Amino acid sequence: DTGVSQDPRHKITKRGQNVTFRCDPISEHNRLYWYRQTLGQGPEFLTYFQNEAQLEKSRLLSDRFSAERPKGSFSTLEIQRTEQGDSAMYLCASSLPDPKAGELFFGEGSRLTVL
Amino acid sequence: AQSVTQPDIHITVSEGASLELRCNYSYGATPYLFWYVQSPGQGLQLLLKYFSGDTLVQGIKGFEAEFKRSQSSFNLRKPSVHWSDAAEYFCAVGPNSGGYQKVTFGTGTKLQVIP
Repeated sequence: DTGVSQDPRHKITKRGQNVTFRCDPISEHNRLYWYRQTLGQGPEFLTYFQNEAQLEKSRLLSDRFSAERPKGSFSTLEIQRTEQGDSAMYLCASSLPDPKAGELFFGEGSRLTVL
Repeated sequence: AQSVTQPDIHITVSEGASLELRCNYSYGATPYLFWYVQSPGQGLQLLLKYFSGDTLVQGIKGFEAEFKRSQSSFNLRKPSVHWSDAAEYFCAVGPNSGGYQKVTFGTGTKLQVIP
């Protein structure tokens, strides 16, 4: 068990550029979550996969954001035409199926800075 | 909709003193409840969880929490704080049935430990 890994850990980009983050969950976990965290706030739910199916997207997630989990293993989160308001820590987490599904294992996050 | 309130943004305690961090939740049924800790530069780590049964749950690092249904609370406690406990603590709530599985976090309480 190598834990949840995220890449890159830090990304600085100019407004209007596209960025992509990758998350590799714990291998036996079929649920994968993306959260966003800004300074002084708790993690905010963005989207959630069970295997390769994206089961929910937050209404806070604009159409500039897209997430995939093509083979039910790793996931990518892409942000198109970045805006300064997208600057945040993007957290990935994975979990086992219900009833333990609420127990999330987090990666260390990908910090995005949009200039 | 489920929600979590952590009324204390910042708490300072002396090393060796006792600690209680407050958490109130809103949920239509008996929820799953969690406390996570986030140290600077680290991912969130699960401290403890409540699914059912005994309302006093023990976690890692000497932490415990008590579920009080009548008060919709799940406060975190530690009898004697160590300097290494300085971190941010997040209470979270999740649904306790199958299907949709979104975990909602509070805004966090930052703990400072002074000598």
